[in-house]
Amino acid sequence: SAVISQKPSRDICQRGTSLTIQCQVDSQVTMMFWYRQQPGQSLTLIATANQGSEATYESGFVIDKFPISRPNLTFSTLTVSNMSPEDSSIYLCSVHNREETQYFGPGTRLLVL
Amino acid sequence: AQKITQTQPGMFVQEKEAVTLDCTYDTSDPSYGLFWYKQPSSGEMIFLIYQGSYDQQNATEGRYSLNFQKARKSANLVISASQLGDSAMYFCAMRDLGGSEKLVFGKGTKLTVNP
Repeated sequence: SAVISQKPSRDICQRGTSLTIQCQVDSQVTMMFWYRQQPGQSLTLIATANQGSEATYESGFVIDKFPISRPNLTFSTLTVSNMSPEDSSIYLCSVHNREETQYFGPGTRLLVL
Repeated sequence: AQKITQTQPGMFVQEKEAVTLDCTYDTSDPSYGLFWYKQPSSGEMIFLIYQGSYDQQNATEGRYSLNFQKARKSANLVISASQLGDSAMYFCAMRDLGGSEKLVFGKGTKLTVNP
């Protein structure tokens, strides 16, 4: 299994500001994924982060709004930029190291006022 | 494109009874994996069970089993001997193994276990 930690666990932010979420994994993984879960909704993939290359964004998500860094094989950050109340969600980091597994971090609960 | 359908927004079960949560899927990829997750009110996503498309037997993990019917494209989760702590959201998800690696989720089912 993989142990994933995220910081911060929750935050309340003002609109127009930015928040950077950190994800740390206890083992080296090739691919890290960032998901968003809006209130009462399912999980939606924002982007896939590979070490040493640009992140791949899903339809509806852009780099200017959600810049991602992946400096090494155990760490990634997701920034939510120029926030609005619609960005209030749980943001989850996820990894898989084998075909039959995919693990999630504890999530970052974001409230934008 | 992959699609996961969970048709039960909410389910209720009595403690100690079994419950089945439905999941159907659609994909054109012959090789895929199916996952079930539990999300309690704390928000964490807890991995429960995995079924590969080429697995001959249904997956089991403790009180969780997956009723995999490939021809019907269904992957229902069966929870036996329900406990109060099983009350949570349950999500079915899939990943095409020859493709993009991303996990696609259903809308989820809220399970309530009554004492």
